[in-house]
Amino acid sequence: AQTIHQWPVAEIKAVGSPLSLGCTIKGKSSPNLYWYWQATGGTLQQLFYSITVGQVESVVQLNLSASRPKDDQFILSTEKLLLSHSGFYLCAWSLVGAEQYFGPGTRLTVL
Amino acid sequence: GEQVEQLPSILRVQEGSSASINCTYENSASNYFPWYKQEPGENPKLIIDIRSNMERKQTQGLIVLLDKKAKRFSLHITDTQPGDSAMYFCAASGASGSWQLIFGSGTQLTVMP
Repeated sequence: AQTIHQWPVAEIKAVGSPLSLGCTIKGKSSPNLYWYWQATGGTLQQLFYSITVGQVESVVQLNLSASRPKDDQFILSTEKLLLSHSGFYLCAWSLVGAEQYFGPGTRLTVL
Repeated sequence: GEQVEQLPSILRVQEGSSASINCTYENSASNYFPWYKQEPGENPKLIIDIRSNMERKQTQGLIVLLDKKAKRFSLHITDTQPGDSAMYFCAASGASGSWQLIFGSGTQLTVMP
């Protein structure tokens, strides 16, 4: 069975500091991977998607970047956090043309 | 950009009654429509979905209807229980392909005992 893991579970960071969030998926070969952001009480906004290792497409510009260094790993990062980056970051996976399933998420608070 | 409108934003129903949530989308090329349930502090869970080659799908007390002409789809929860209380999101695939999901703004459902 596939498992999706995100780290850290929660993070409190200062404005202007760097950030790195991670996601790994086990049990699926070459999945599509996604990053989503959800403001508190808000909807889900797709940020990035990746079909294969080394290839990442940006959906919306939020001063964030993403990378896929391995088939089962997806990283979200920024060099300088803004207050507006606070929220719930969710990694998701799917097979081609199929349903998307979300990981447990990372809650980020920027102060 | 493309949008998905979801109504109502808040829905309160009595236990045992039905609850309905409606969504409309803009892109006639959208062909995949999932529904997610999210409980406080948790990740969204896929509960049911429908593709454009169907008009109706039903599973375990959930019914999804799709009207492609009107670009409208809806979720109906029959015989609601307190455990159905949660935030519900609809989504539609975008013009760029089925990987792209555009979410509605969410419906907070409360089932009152």
